[in-house]
Amino acid sequence: GNSVTQMEGPVTLSEEAFLTINCTYTATGYPSLFWYVQYPGEGLQLLLKATKADDKGSNKGFEATYRKETTSFHLEKGSVQVSDSAVYFCALKGDTGFQKLVFGTGTRLLVSP
Amino acid sequence: DGGITQSPKYLFRKEGQNVTLSCEQNLNHDAMYWYRQDPGQGLRLIYYSQIVNDFQKGDIAEGYSVSREKKESFPLTVTSAQKNPTAFYLCASSIDRWSGTYKNIQYFGAGTRLSVL
Repeated sequence: GNSVTQMEGPVTLSEEAFLTINCTYTATGYPSLFWYVQYPGEGLQLLLKATKADDKGSNKGFEATYRKETTSFHLEKGSVQVSDSAVYFCALKGDTGFQKLVFGTGTRLLVSP
Repeated sequence: DGGITQSPKYLFRKEGQNVTLSCEQNLNHDAMYWYRQDPGQGLRLIYYSQIVNDFQKGDIAEGYSVSREKKESFPLTVTSAQKNPTAFYLCASSIDRWSGTYKNIQYFGAGTRLSVL
């Protein structure tokens, strides 16, 4: 079945550092890929998405490119802020019929001033 | 503002008690979902409903029950059969039941944290 693997956290960075959170997936066909963010005590918010190979999703300075050849969707940001501290979830949805959203285990990001 | 409202924010369950978590959406979405979140385990699907008066079990449905009598509402009951109910519960909805399109993005509520007394 479909699955998502994320790097384990926490990822600890200083403000203005470069961020990469790795995400790889296993799926048949052409799934859609998502990054969600969860701030403390809150639900999940969609951060960005990509629906086909080589698509780049971007939002709030975050980017991720759908790489079918490496089955990856790594999240990057050039300069993190303290306010980016949160848990980030990579997720995928299959492309046939009704498919559930499959989540990775989440990666906690801690940014210090 | 359109969105998903979950209530209560915090809930405590006594031994042998059933409790019901509320989820209401005013986004006019067809599909609704319930997830359970445990530390270090990501989100696991409990139940989902693609349309009113229809719902299906997810990966961890045992000990839970749902109903979908109205498009806007998808309450989750945690029954006494659920022996380890302590978790963060998230409700979500999406515009329609067809997958594989950008329209099927899931939107989440703020969650209910359930603890056992």
